[in-house]
Amino acid sequence: KQEVTQIPAALSVPEGENLVLNCSFTDSAIYNLQWFRQDPGKGLTSLLLIQSSQREQTSGRLNASLDKSSGRSTLYIAASQPGDSATYLCAVNRMRDDKIIFGKGTRLHILP
Amino acid sequence: DTAVSQTPKYLVTQMGNDKSIKCEQNLGHDTMYWYKQDSKKFLKIMFSYNNKELIINETVPNRFSPKSPDKAHLNLHINSLELGDSAVYFCASSQEKALAGESDTQYFGPGTRLTVL
Repeated sequence: KQEVTQIPAALSVPEGENLVLNCSFTDSAIYNLQWFRQDPGKGLTSLLLIQSSQREQTSGRLNASLDKSSGRSTLYIAASQPGDSATYLCAVNRMRDDKIIFGKGTRLHILP
Repeated sequence: DTAVSQTPKYLVTQMGNDKSIKCEQNLGHDTMYWYKQDSKKFLKIMFSYNNKELIINETVPNRFSPKSPDKAHLNLHINSLELGDSAVYFCASSQEKALAGESDTQYFGPGTRLTVL
């Protein structure tokens, strides 16, 4: 059974700091892993998608890595800003049945 | 009982046709969403809708329109289907949190695989 775990559940950091969010998954047979942000009352906004054959993806201040063999991914946010405050979710696309399995998210609060 | 259901599961149709995908949630949620998963497996939001407002992703063509007959349903209508519309479409629902700053867990349907020939 595929489980996706995100640690920590919540994180508060001062503005300007670099930070890392963690995601782990139990079944390495995945097509890809995707990071999303969710703002209160809104849908999920896709941030980065890493295919199973890739090691990392970058977009602006965001960098996501994937280590499929150890079942881990990290989302690195550089020079954090108050606008980065949101819940960040990772999700894997499971090969066995093509389902998308989400973690419960990390609620990030950037302190001005 | 299935929390969020979609019909049909598979839809194969000719280019130029008009089609609908139905979504129902029995969770009593007040907000529903449609997402599109493209050929590269990228999941992107198309619409979010509650009884207060409809938010449309600006990249979604106006051939796509959500229709909500009641709070438990949000159907997706697609006019003049094009080859590029082929994808898996996911419906989701959530309950808006009462606490400011709290995000609501989204529950996803099983997806509808649309193939346009």
